[in-house]
Amino acid sequence: EAGVVQSPRYKIIEKKQPVAFWCNPISGHNTLYWYRQNLGQGPELLIRYENEEAVDDSQLPKDRFSAERLKGVDSTLKIQPAELGDSAVYLCASSLSPDEQYFGPGTRLTVT
Amino acid sequence: DQQVKQNSPSLSVQEGRISILNCDYTNSMFDYFLWYKKYPAEGPTFLISISSIKDKNEDGRFTVFLNKSAKHLSLHIVPSQPGDSAVYFCAASAQTGANNLFFGTGTRLTVIP
Repeated sequence: EAGVVQSPRYKIIEKKQPVAFWCNPISGHNTLYWYRQNLGQGPELLIRYENEEAVDDSQLPKDRFSAERLKGVDSTLKIQPAELGDSAVYLCASSLSPDEQYFGPGTRLTVT
Repeated sequence: DQQVKQNSPSLSVQEGRISILNCDYTNSMFDYFLWYKKYPAEGPTFLISISSIKDKNEDGRFTVFLNKSAKHLSLHIVPSQPGDSAVYFCAASAQTGANNLFFGTGTRLTVIP
């Protein structure tokens, strides 16, 4: 069974530029999560989807971050414009039941 | 405001010995706890969980203990193996199941052959 797929794996951009991350969850998983993990910290939830509906986006900085999950499968997370403090690993996870979340390998973003 | 804390950033253990990783939490509403293991350049992978109705859960070499009154849980690995070397994250949820997880900062375990 294929795991959670994320791309790109690494991204380096200059500040004020836009960037987008893509996630393909495990087939059949209707819950999808985006996390941000800063260096030396644990993952922090940005947004959670149940199918195509964002059910928890309270931690998403809405002035510059946006996300979508059209058709309730793939998802994209966008930052526009990026700031130096956005440098982090962005993790996508999916789950079939509330019990276990399966994480992708993450996208390491460096903003210069 | 860190609701889940792992106060030891690193731990080194000899192969074959017991590894004990600790985690404390502050939110008394947390009732489901998980441990994740993370290798470099990979996402965290689920290891073991425990519900607040239990005080112990065992899976092979891994055992998680929960002390609700102390708001403390620990992960025991015995015997430790070099392949266990990774970063271990404790996570908690305020509902049975794990929809909204709060993670600790992680403990890097090194098992010395």
